[in-house]
Amino acid sequence: DGGITQSPKYLFRKEGQNVTLSCEQNLNHDAMYWYRQDPGQGLRLIYYSQIVNDFQKGDIAEGYSVSREKKESFPLTVTSAQKNPTAFYLCASSMEGSPLHFGNGTRLTVT
Amino acid sequence: SQQGEEDPQALSIQEGENATMNCSYKTSINNLQWYRQNSGRGLVHLILIRSNEREKHSGRLRVTLDTSKKSSSLLITASRAADTASYFCATPQRDNYGQNFVFGPGTRLSVLP
Repeated sequence: DGGITQSPKYLFRKEGQNVTLSCEQNLNHDAMYWYRQDPGQGLRLIYYSQIVNDFQKGDIAEGYSVSREKKESFPLTVTSAQKNPTAFYLCASSMEGSPLHFGNGTRLTVT
Repeated sequence: SQQGEEDPQALSIQEGENATMNCSYKTSINNLQWYRQNSGRGLVHLILIRSNEREKHSGRLRVTLDTSKKSSSLLITASRAADTASYFCATPQRDNYGQNFVFGPGTRLSVLP
């Protein structure tokens, strides 16, 4: 079955550590996206990528970095520069003109 | 930037009743999409309505779009406990780089048995 896989489901880190969230899709979609969701709130765009080796900052990119070395993969690194990293992170993909397909998210807790 | 704004923020109804959620947006759009999110999960696409459509149906879902008022509504008829979830509207927007999607804050729907 085609879909998007995010791993791990839960992630715990100490403050000051970088952490990388995985996102893999086998839908052959060109575009991939990372969103952050805080409790009871909507989604805010962190980064998005339309093609391999290219990506664009979203509304809240500070403290985050991404790479797109393969079409299927779009990992997100939460760096120690991110002031408030505890959140629910959602990865999504789409074809041009089509709706988003989402993974089931990674809940990151930084203490 | 938040474009879509849903209201109400939270809605609690009894099973069998209808639930109506509204979404407003700010810029011109090609289409508007509604998504559902169960607690702790990813979003699932429900329905897409194009800017030249006024109403669309899918099962128990009915979506309307009023481009003159920049608003949309999602109606769930004969609600079930399994409809309990958060519902979001999203609008695609295009910049020099490509297309991204802007989501509203969502409506949390609770359907009580």
